[in-house]
Amino acid sequence: AQSVTQLDSQVPVFEEAPVELRCNYSSSVSVYLFWYVQYPNQGLQLLLKYLSGSTLVKGINGFEAEFNKSQTSFHLRKPSVHISDTAEYFCAVSDWGAQKLVFGQGTRLTINP
Amino acid sequence: DAGVTQSPTHLIKTRGQQVTLRCSPISGHKSVSWYQQVLGQGPQFIFQYYEKEERGRGNFPDRFSARQFPNYSSELNVNALLLGDSALYLCASSSNQVNEQFFGPGTRLTVL
Repeated sequence: AQSVTQLDSQVPVFEEAPVELRCNYSSSVSVYLFWYVQYPNQGLQLLLKYLSGSTLVKGINGFEAEFNKSQTSFHLRKPSVHISDTAEYFCAVSDWGAQKLVFGQGTRLTINP
Repeated sequence: DAGVTQSPTHLIKTRGQQVTLRCSPISGHKSVSWYQQVLGQGPQFIFQYYEKEERGRGNFPDRFSARQFPNYSSELNVNALLLGDSALYLCASSSNQVNEQFFGPGTRLTVL
């Protein structure tokens, strides 16, 4: 069975500082990997996805993530955060050929001025 | 183009009642999935429908059921509501069974 572990439930950072949100997954088969963002009282918005090819994936709003198969990780990074990045971030995995997404517990990113 | 829409936005029910949540996918999308997000947790998969057939079911009791209509819209029904059913219910659509999913804003269900 697949599972996703987001290693930090909360990450506080100062504005314009870099940030890394950590995600590890377990699966017995090849996977697709995703990062979603959820702003207060809203649904989920896709930040980026890894399907195949280059292990460094660039997404919207300046975010990027690196797929590391040997470490089964897919950490999300941004070199300089803004107040508007304050939100809940979810890492998710799905099997190739399937649509069911398995989500982590989420990481609350708080940006301090 | 309009995104995924869900109705109602908020709903309050009492224990034992039944509820129906509705979802309209993005135009041209044939796949609809439902997720339950309890406060403070990540979404959990409930159902996936593709071309009006159930293609996946998560670990939820039989009180949860769904269907997809010829226009690809979908309904999620929950019978005999429990306090623990209080959650944000998210609908997601995609153009086929394996493509990127686009999420709606959700329906916030409160069971008293």
